[in-house]
Amino acid sequence: DTGVSQDPRHKITKRGQNVTFRCDPISEHNRLYWYRQTLGQGPEFLTYFQNEAQLEKSRLLSDRFSAERPKGSFSTLEIQRTEQGDSAMYLCASSSREVVDRDEQFFGPGTRLTVL
Amino acid sequence: GQSLEQPSEVTAVEGAIVQINCTYQTSGFYGLSWYQQHDGGAPTFLSYNALDGLEETGRFSSFLSRSDSYGYLLLQELQMKDSASYFCAVRNSGAGSYQLTFGKGTKLSVIP
Repeated sequence: DTGVSQDPRHKITKRGQNVTFRCDPISEHNRLYWYRQTLGQGPEFLTYFQNEAQLEKSRLLSDRFSAERPKGSFSTLEIQRTEQGDSAMYLCASSSREVVDRDEQFFGPGTRLTVL
Repeated sequence: GQSLEQPSEVTAVEGAIVQINCTYQTSGFYGLSWYQQHDGGAPTFLSYNALDGLEETGRFSSFLSRSDSYGYLLLQELQMKDSASYFCAVRNSGAGSYQLTFGKGTKLSVIP
C-alpha cells in the first residue's frame, strides 16, 4: 500500500491553457474523490466516483472542468481554458467499502496549480 | 446545504490539553469527522462520531452532541508535532451521497 499519489505535484500555466492532473488511489479502494483547497480554507468537494461511475458533481464544477475514471482505477481531472481563479491545491482522496460509512478518506499530497 | 463553524486559530502550550469546537448546520446528518493537515501536507483522518458521546483514540478524543449540533476535538499531552490545521466535516444529506463539507479549519499552534 503506497497511498494515494498525484501527478504532477506542481503545475504553472498561463491563463487560457488546458491542464490535466492524475490521481492514483489506493489499489483496493473503489471510491475516489476530487477536492479543491485554497489558502486558509478547508477542502471543497468537486466530484466523486464509485468505480468508473461519476456519481456526484459539485456546482463548483463548471463546464470547464471534467473528470474521468475510465477503468475504475486512476482518475484524471482536466481544466480547460484556465483562469486565475483556478489557482488552488487540487486534492484527490480515496476510500474503501469498509470505511466509507465513517467518512474516512485517504488523501493524496495534492497538485498545486498556479495560473499566471 | 451544510455549514460548519470552528475557531480560526488556537494556541496552546506543550503538554497541555486543547479543545477545538465545531458547530454545524445541516439538513441531514450522518456523523461528524475530524481531519488533521500539516502545512504543505495532505489531510489525514482522525476520528468520526455518529452517535452522541466521546470517542477516544490515544491522545485524541472527539465528542458529539447531535441535539446541540456541536462537537469538539480534544487533544491531550500536546506535542510540538500537533501544530497543524484541524478540520471538522459532515457528509452531504442526499441519499447515497459521500460528499464531505469541511469547515474552514482551526490552526493550532503548540508553543514550548
